[in-house]
Amino acid sequence: GQQVMQIPQYQHVQEGEDFTTYCNSSTTLSNIQWYKQRPGGHPVFLIQLVKSGEVKKQKRLTFQFGEAKKNSSLHITATQTTDVGTYFCAGPVEQGTYKYIFGTGTRLKVLA
Amino acid sequence: GAVVSQHPSRVICKSGTSVKIECRSLDFQATTMFWYRQFPKKSLMLMATSNEGSKATYEQGVEKDKFLINHASLTLSTLTVTSAHPEDSSFYICSARARSSGSNEQFFGPGTRLTVL
Repeated sequence: GQQVMQIPQYQHVQEGEDFTTYCNSSTTLSNIQWYKQRPGGHPVFLIQLVKSGEVKKQKRLTFQFGEAKKNSSLHITATQTTDVGTYFCAGPVEQGTYKYIFGTGTRLKVLA
Repeated sequence: GAVVSQHPSRVICKSGTSVKIECRSLDFQATTMFWYRQFPKKSLMLMATSNEGSKATYEQGVEKDKFLINHASLTLSTLTVTSAHPEDSSFYICSARARSSGSNEQFFGPGTRLTVL
């Protein structure tokens, strides 16, 4: 079945360092979403990428969708303690159903 | 805007009892709601898709008679865990997609932590 994997599973960085999580799908995706879940919280939508090779920025966060639309990445520049949490990518399961399969997640810990 | 609530936030019950969890979209209409299960430090596992006015569609491996879903209105979906057992203990999260939304963004509820003794 369809799988969405993320690496790394965990990442500890010093505050101010950069961080990147990679998302790989076993199938081609029509779009990809990214969510952030703070410890003890619920996932919060960050962004959706649709076009092949698309790059979007939100302040210190840069999101990229691969040319083949099977992978994506999230890069955080100069991490802050507020960036702590688990980052999930999610890809659609079926056209027209709005169902998404979530990636395995990358848990980020930022050391002050 | 786009707030989703869940009730209760935590529930502890005895084995064999049934537990109902409510998911409400507070300021928008949701034609589609999703129910997920999340184990500690793990990803979200989609259990079922709840569509207003029709039967829910369940993912493979999810027992529909065990996890009863009702989407009675455009703002409310309920998940009932019937005859709960300790292995049903988990974090259950719902999400909703806005009826008028042109995007596929899902708005998540705060989740319900179920503990079955």
